[in-house]
Amino acid sequence: AQSVSQHNHHVILSEAASLELGCNYSYGGTVNLFWYVQYPGQHLQLLLKYFSGDPLVKGIKGFEAEFIKSKFSFNLRKPSVQWSDTAEYFCAVGNFGNEKLTFGTGTRLTIIP
Amino acid sequence: NAGVTQTPKFRILKIGQSMTLQCAQDMNHNYMYWYRQDPGMGLKLIYYSVGAGITDKGEVPNGYNVSRSTTEDFPLRLELAAPSQTSVYFCASSTLLNNEQFFGPGTRLTVL
Repeated sequence: AQSVSQHNHHVILSEAASLELGCNYSYGGTVNLFWYVQYPGQHLQLLLKYFSGDPLVKGIKGFEAEFIKSKFSFNLRKPSVQWSDTAEYFCAVGNFGNEKLTFGTGTRLTIIP
Repeated sequence: NAGVTQTPKFRILKIGQSMTLQCAQDMNHNYMYWYRQDPGMGLKLIYYSVGAGITDKGEVPNGYNVSRSTTEDFPLRLELAAPSQTSVYFCASSTLLNNEQFFGPGTRLTVL
């Protein structure tokens, strides 16, 4: 069965710092990859997604992620974080043709002004 | 479109009480899901449905039941509430085409 690892449980950064959150999955094949963001007290919203094509994906609010198939990874990056990026970030993986997603346990990001 | 809607937003139950969490979507999605979210544990799939009349267990189905009589609605039933069911519950929907799931605003349930 697919498993998704997010090794960073809690990341604390100062504003303007660069961000990289790790996401690794266990099972290959054709995968669809997602990063969701959950702002405090809110529901999950899609940040970006990868289905095929260019492995460097750009999402909303200046986020991007790179799919590295050989490493089973889909890390999330942002060159300069803002206080408003304080949230919980979830990586999710879907295998093509499977109706379910497997979610990581999430990374809590705290940005210090 | 309203997307995925959930009611109620908050609820406090006593041990042994029952309740139904409502979920509806207006995107004509075939697939619907119920998750629970506990601190530091991510999202755990409770039940899911691939279409009206078809449901299946997820990772943590014990203590819950679902039904799917229409494409739009996917209620989650708690029959005998227990403190271990204190959690935030999210409903989501998707198409099979690309797995992308759309989430509702959640229901925060406390069982005392």
